Amino acid sequence: KAGVTQTPRYLIKTRGQQVTLSCSPISGHRSVSWYQQTPGQGLQFLFEYFSETQRNKGNFPGRFSGRQFSNSRSEMNVSTLELGDSALYLCASSMTENYGYTFGSGTRLTVV
Amino acid sequence: QKEVEQNSGPLSVPEGAIASLNCTYSDRVSQSFFWYRQYSGKSPELIMSIYSNGDKEDGRFTAQLNKASQYVSLLIRDSQPSDSATYLCAAYSGTYKYIFGTGTRLKVLA
Repeated sequence: KAGVTQTPRYLIKTRGQQVTLSCSPISGHRSVSWYQQTPGQGLQFLFEYFSETQRNKGNFPGRFSGRQFSNSRSEMNVSTLELGDSALYLCASSMTENYGYTFGSGTRLTVV
Repeated sequence: QKEVEQNSGPLSVPEGAIASLNCTYSDRVSQSFFWYRQYSGKSPELIMSIYSNGDKEDGRFTAQLNKASQYVSLLIRDSQPSDSATYLCAAYSGTYKYIFGTGTRLKVLA
């Protein structure tokens, strides 16, 4: 059974650019969540999608956005990148919201 | 701000000993609790979930939940060097997001 697939694994971007990260959940998992992980802040919730609907959003600026497609694949976009956006971005999928997540390998974003 | 708190460690235990990891949470409506293990440079992996008061055992792992005290713990029996990792506690409160603690780093000494 394939796991959660995130692409790309690594990205280096310049301040002011934008970036799109992709996530394919485990087959049958319709809930997809995104988290930002940094050494100082730990795992911070970005947003959760279910059947193409955003059901919750964390306390991040509007530069962070996401969407989910009809096949449950999800993308997140960060516009006007700042140095502080450098982090590991983790996508997680679950069968239901109360079942625990399976995380992808993450995308390591470095903003220079 | 609803929080999940963990001691950052490192918690050092000798090989073969019991490692005890603790977590407290602030949101009384939290329904479910999870323990994730994260090796350095890897993503978190779910190792235990617990939904009701008491103990839940799975192999060498035991999760304990006390909702009255808002306290969750993870015991690792017969600790092995391969258990050395950061352990993340997470709580789910019914709003489609999990709140994670910042993790406890465990070091098992051979």
